[in-house]
Amino acid sequence: EVQLVESGGDSVQPGGSLRLSCAASGFTFSTYWMHWVRQAPGEGLVWVSYVHSDASATSYADSVKGRFTISRDNAKSTLYLQMNSLRVEDTAVYYCARAVSGSLDLWGRGTLVTVSS
Amino acid sequence: DIQMTQSPSSVSASVGDRVTITCRASQGISRWLAWYQEKPGKAPKLLIYEISTLQSGVPSRFSGSGSGTDFTLTISGLQPEDFATYYCQQAQSFPLTFGGGTKVEIK
Repeated sequence: EVQLVESGGDSVQPGGSLRLSCAASGFTFSTYWMHWVRQAPGEGLVWVSYVHSDASATSYADSVKGRFTISRDNAKSTLYLQMNSLRVEDTAVYYCARAVSGSLDLWGRGTLVTVSS
Repeated sequence: DIQMTQSPSSVSASVGDRVTITCRASQGISRWLAWYQEKPGKAPKLLIYEISTLQSGVPSRFSGSGSGTDFTLTISGLQPEDFATYYCQQAQSFPLTFGGGTKVEIK
């Protein structure tokens, strides 16, 4: 089955760190650009970061630049998001998504990150 | 950054109605416009990409149109399963940006 499954979400204090994972299956992970998108409670979708299929390029939203790092392990078909210096405003469901023609055609079900003291 | 302005933010409609949602980009985005459907507790679902290309498996009652900076998503003959929130998204440049969403509610 073609799917993405996120994990690693948790409740942490401000200033803490988390590492999210996204396990891909059912398709050739190494040929796709991958993205992280988040959604705060009751809010809309916000793009977080992208990584090229061979990890040669990345991009970040200004709100996470310098704090979050996207990476991938094509041998393990897994996408990662290392999140440091977490803030209350980073509280959200984090989705990983596969990109095709600029659109995100396959999404995981998301993992919840809660940042609270 | 390219801003995506969606309207209306919500719409009440009945089964069988035609619903049109608009999305305006702050600058030209060529063909890099997609539409998504989101239901509570579920992952967003791609409906349309490159302005008007229907994603595989999406019913033909969904259609997209537009050019330059102005785009529309039309649902012709609203079905019960279509009550959801819809988002547009541009991929002309990073950061990718989404519209604020349109909630389609039952009248």
